[in-house]
Amino acid sequence: EAQVTQNPRYLITVTGKKLTVTCSQNMNHEYMSWYRQDPGLGLRQIYYSMNVEVTDKGDVPEGYKVSRKEKRNFPLILESPSPNQTSLYFCASSFVKGGPQHFGDGTRLSIL
Amino acid sequence: DQQVKQNSPSLSVQEGRISILNCDYTNSMFDYFLWYKKYPAEGPTFLISISSIKDKNEDGRFTVFLNKSAKHLSLHIVPSQPGDSAVYFCAASALVSSSNTGKLIFGQGTTLQVKP
Repeated sequence: EAQVTQNPRYLITVTGKKLTVTCSQNMNHEYMSWYRQDPGLGLRQIYYSMNVEVTDKGDVPEGYKVSRKEKRNFPLILESPSPNQTSLYFCASSFVKGGPQHFGDGTRLSIL
Repeated sequence: DQQVKQNSPSLSVQEGRISILNCDYTNSMFDYFLWYKKYPAEGPTFLISISSIKDKNEDGRFTVFLNKSAKHLSLHIVPSQPGDSAVYFCAASALVSSSNTGKLIFGQGTTLQVKP
């Protein structure tokens, strides 16, 4: 089954404690992306990757890092989380950049 | 600056009737538009899309209309079913632009409730 898998699904943590949200896709897609969803703002892109070792900033990259060492994996790293990063996060992948993206089921992060 | 706007946060319709969800955009570089459906505790799932070279695209009960001069698109669901109750997001991208980063710009979402 074609899917994008995110882990964890839920996480409550404290300010400053580094965390990583993993994302893996099994569709051999080159394009991957991270979004955050906040009330009244829709989904906003954090970072994207066009292929292995090729990553770039989206609209709201501050406080986040990513890496793309393998085609299937695209982890999101919060080096020093802060309460304003409390949000619902989605990883997505697509065959064509700008085309229909497949989304994971989301990770709800709460930073206290 | 919200480049893609869904001005109706919610919509309620009766089962069997038509649901019309609206979306406006401001960037004339957008040339590809998509609708996603999202159920609680799940990620958005792709529903239907339309290229700017067309003004209508149909897939079963779902039809998307694009009015480029008005920078407006709409999603029609006919007939509406209770299982269609979800949050609907429209999104846009600039596929043929030389600066295409693959980014989808999303609207805020509209919550559709279909009553039995």
